[in-house]
Amino acid sequence: SQQGEEDPQALSIQEGENATMNCSYKTSINNLQWYRQNSGRGLVHLILIRSNEREKHSGRLRVTLDTSKKSSSLLITASRAADTASYFCATPRAGTALIFGKGTTLSVSS
Amino acid sequence: DAGVIQSPRHEVTEMGQEVTLRCKPISGHNSLFWYRQTMMRGLELLIYFNNNVPIDDSGMPEDRFSAKMPNASFSTLKIQPSEPRDSAVYFCASSLSSGGISSYEQYFGPGTRLTVT
Repeated sequence: SQQGEEDPQALSIQEGENATMNCSYKTSINNLQWYRQNSGRGLVHLILIRSNEREKHSGRLRVTLDTSKKSSSLLITASRAADTASYFCATPRAGTALIFGKGTTLSVSS
Repeated sequence: DAGVIQSPRHEVTEMGQEVTLRCKPISGHNSLFWYRQTMMRGLELLIYFNNNVPIDDSGMPEDRFSAKMPNASFSTLKIQPSEPRDSAVYFCASSLSSGGISSYEQYFGPGTRLTVT
């Protein structure tokens, strides 16, 4: 089944540094989404990139998609303490559902 | 809009009791999803509905779990009887989907933290 796997599982950085998280998936997709989850909260959608797009930006977020390698990356530039959260990639499954990976836990210290 | 609303936020119950979780999706959304999140298994899709009709319930762990969506603004997830291994955070999410494909973002509720002792 299609599933995104994030790498690394955990990442610790200092404020101001960039954070890069990667996602690999198994089968062809028409889009890939990234979500953020703050501790004790529900997931929040960050960005969607379609299969015909290679790169997409949203504020301090930059997402790339390489369909030939079946991988995506999420870059957060100039990180802040408020970026501390878990980040998940999600790929479509049959119908309108998504499959989420296990997530990358990002810790940004000031 | 208030977003996806879930109740209760916390539920503590004893093994064998019936548990009912409730969800009100965002008005106008036509897809509703129930997920379960644990440290061991991550975020698992239990069941989802399109236009109030259950489409895929293959993620429902066993017959003790059931879900209904009697109308576009309300859904329930019931566990009867509950067991300690059901302890988890249960999320409801909704989206506006068209064409039968998941090209739209999902909006998550705050979750219900269930503890079964």
